Amino acid sequence: EDKVVQSPLSLVVHEGDTVTLNCSYEVTNFRSLLWYKQEKKAPTFLFMLTSSGIEKKSGRLSSILDKKELSSILNITATQTGDSAIYLCAVGAVRFGAGTRLTVKP
Amino acid sequence: GAVVSQHPSRVICKSGTSVKIECRSLDFQATTMFWYRQFPKQSLMLMATSNEGSKATYEQGVEKDKFLINHASLTLSTLTVTSAHPEDSSFYICSAVRDSYSGANVLTFGAGSRLTVL
Repeated sequence: EDKVVQSPLSLVVHEGDTVTLNCSYEVTNFRSLLWYKQEKKAPTFLFMLTSSGIEKKSGRLSSILDKKELSSILNITATQTGDSAIYLCAVGAVRFGAGTRLTVKP
Repeated sequence: GAVVSQHPSRVICKSGTSVKIECRSLDFQATTMFWYRQFPKQSLMLMATSNEGSKATYEQGVEKDKFLINHASLTLSTLTVTSAHPEDSSFYICSAVRDSYSGANVLTFGAGSRLTVL
């Protein structure tokens, strides 16, 4: 059975801190790993990773895939209160991890 | 950019009634749409895969007679919660496959529908 595990489940930091969110997976037919940010409503797309070792960046967010370790990390530097959200990792577009709830305090 | 419209955003109904939620891809065709359910502080749980012109594929444990899915066109999928009960109260989200790159699909999500059954 396909499995996507995220850690930590919850994280509280202060503005300016750097955070690393983890996602590990076990799937039978891997094609891509996607990261989403969910605030109050539906998730919004952050990154799609298909190749190992290639970092994707968008502003203060970056992500990288390690196919050997079957995992990915999402980094957020210089966190802001607006980064507070649930960060979801998905494999194969439909298998979601439980999410990491990030709270950034002023 | 790709937009998925979901309607209604909120619905309150009495126990025993049926509720229909619509999911539309506004500027692209979506042969595949997905329906999820999300409980408070939990992740998205895939309920079913909706394929245009064919029957939906339901995940294990999801009652297909209770959650009717129709994907009659390339831009519209509907989820009908039949004979709703308070335990069906939840946040329902749809998504549509937007791009296919090397076999990888990126999803565009609707804004979700919060169902409250009294």
